[in-house]
Amino acid sequence: DAGVTQSPTHLIKTRGQQVTLRCSPKSGHDTVSWYQQALGQGPQFIFQYYEEEERQRGNFPDRFSGHQFPNYSSELNVNALLLGDSALYLCASSWGGTSGRNEQFFGPGTRLTVL
Amino acid sequence: AQSVTQLGSHVSVSEGALVLLRCNYSSSVPPYLFWYVQYPNQGLQLLLKYTSAATLVKGINGFEAEFKKSETSFHLTKPSAHMSDAAEYFCAVSNQAGTALIFGKGTTLSVSS
Repeated sequence: DAGVTQSPTHLIKTRGQQVTLRCSPKSGHDTVSWYQQALGQGPQFIFQYYEEEERQRGNFPDRFSGHQFPNYSSELNVNALLLGDSALYLCASSWGGTSGRNEQFFGPGTRLTVL
Repeated sequence: AQSVTQLGSHVSVSEGALVLLRCNYSSSVPPYLFWYVQYPNQGLQLLLKYTSAATLVKGINGFEAEFKKSETSFHLTKPSAHMSDAAEYFCAVSNQAGTALIFGKGTTLSVSS
């Protein structure tokens, strides 16, 4: 079991650029959630995808968008990057969407640096 | 709205000493509560979870936590610290196991020999 995988591991972008991060869920999971973890802070929920639709969204601007594919993998897109978007982006997978009863399993994260 | 407060951003203990990491929550519905550990440059690993069954929850690596509704607390303990326990610990709350997790700011645990 490969667990949750994320790519790339690290990424450096400049202000105003756009970035796409990718996540493959744990085998048997159909739900993907994305979190942003700024340095020295706890993770903050961005959104959750289930059945290829956004089911829940945290307090993040529209510059943050996502997608879920039929194989349950997911992408996080961030447009018009700001310095404040520099963070570790964590993907978590689970089963059953918002009605699921099992816990979320986290990937190792993608470290995004915006210069 | 749900929230989590972790008391103490940094806790230092000696190897073999008791570990106590504090977490208080706020929730208008019966909460699901979690403790996660994060080692440097890694993602989060689930230590244990409370989902309205037994109030004393046992997790991995000898950790346990007790849900106290009257105190709205879910403190994490381990009887004897090991050097390998040094890491960042996060308490989190949600209204269901699979929904958005609300995390505290974390507590850094240092273990000295």
